[in-house]
Amino acid sequence: GQQLNQSPQSMFIQEGEDVSMNCTSSSIFNTWLWYKQDPGEGPVLLIALYKAGELTSNGRLTAQFGITRKDSFLNISASIPSDVGIYVCAGAVRGSTLGRLYFGRGTQLTVWP
Amino acid sequence: NAGVTQTPKFRILKIGQSMTLQCAQDMNHNYMYWYRQDPGMGLKLIYYSVGAGITDKGEVPNGYNVSRSTTEDFPLRLELAAPSQTSVYFCASSPGRATGELFFGEGSRLTVL
Repeated sequence: GQQLNQSPQSMFIQEGEDVSMNCTSSSIFNTWLWYKQDPGEGPVLLIALYKAGELTSNGRLTAQFGITRKDSFLNISASIPSDVGIYVCAGAVRGSTLGRLYFGRGTQLTVWP
Repeated sequence: NAGVTQTPKFRILKIGQSMTLQCAQDMNHNYMYWYRQDPGMGLKLIYYSVGAGITDKGEVPNGYNVSRSTTEDFPLRLELAAPSQTSVYFCASSPGRATGELFFGEGSRLTVL
């Protein structure tokens, strides 16, 4: 199956700092998505990207669809304690077999007050 | 709003036993999915369905079966449970055309001993 590589695997930051993480693929995707997963919960969609070069924001979160279509980036500005969790990227090729959404292993974010 | 509801949340099985994980959604979504999440790994697709009466295999279908008799319900059946099926199982649904914008349940943690 497709491999999505997320980095870093984990981050420990101070409240108020900005955060950057990325996701790369060996294949081209037409859709990139970022989910957040809290302990004991299912992933919740944060941002969806559908076009190469697209930059989309959701509050303090900004995500970009890489020009090569093989990567995506997520930035969180002015982090707060409730940003703690696992950020998971996912990619899909639209028009391909339905359900073929591939997930990364996640970036674990810890925010110190 | 219930969204996607999974039962049970936790279950311990003995090797060779069978069980069904239940999944129900009240959003009238056509598309439903079952994923498994192993520690430190990305979500892997087991089976998916594009509507009542239609199901198809995902990336890791061996050892599982599904059915979709109604739009709301998508149960996952484990026959002859094996230790390799110890995992957290997530059911998800999406509206209309599959775009990757999935709504997940809270997960079912299964241990096979």
